[in-house]
Amino acid sequence: DADVTQTPRNRITKTGKRIMLECSQTKGHDRMYWYRQDPGLGLRLIYYSFDVKDINKGEISDGYSVSRQAQAKFSLSLESAIPNQTALYFCATSEGFPGRTSASYNEQFFGPGTRLTVL
Amino acid sequence: AQSVTQLGSHVSVSEGALVLLRCNYSSSVPPYLFWYVQYPNQGLQLLLKYTSAATLVKGINGFEAEFKKSETSFHLTKPSAHMSDAAEYFCAVMAGGYNKLIFGAGTRLAVHP
Repeated sequence: DADVTQTPRNRITKTGKRIMLECSQTKGHDRMYWYRQDPGLGLRLIYYSFDVKDINKGEISDGYSVSRQAQAKFSLSLESAIPNQTALYFCATSEGFPGRTSASYNEQFFGPGTRLTVL
Repeated sequence: AQSVTQLGSHVSVSEGALVLLRCNYSSSVPPYLFWYVQYPNQGLQLLLKYTSAATLVKGINGFEAEFKKSETSFHLTKPSAHMSDAAEYFCAVMAGGYNKLIFGAGTRLAVHP
């Protein structure tokens, strides 16, 4: 079974709709992240959470919100979707600091992605 | 602030040829550097990482990268390309212990017979 799962894998919606993307992990990691991928721009960080009570904005948080319901779950919401939010969205996890080994704590593990299309 | 530049959005090589994907970084602190690979319709998978130990880092699938501080580079190489190497490759830099990754724009590698 995959360690980091994302639902849905594909979603088509209309402008103005509220959308929630969900991420779950079984790795026992404290830290979780949401990125979006656009062609030619790589991945950009939307939000990140270092534990259940810690939520931080990334470089492109406008138009998005998140909820960390539990250590294993981190959801991304688009309150009113717009076409330029059409992208591939990735969730990732990592250990906190210090990790189980000094070399392992900084590796991020990615989910399979959610392809979102806003019409 | 940290940043990453990947030279060449598309690289095409013949099967069996050398693969060289270029990455230059900017960082005000000693960097941690990563190469990730993304196969079609999949998430990102870590190929290798530099975390201030050996400057020549070996990764999975025969890839390696060399950290050159004087050139602020972390280029990815593989001596002999295989068809299965066709994918998109991302270089990323991390700022200290904050676990935030800054990604380059990516390089799409095509391998032709």
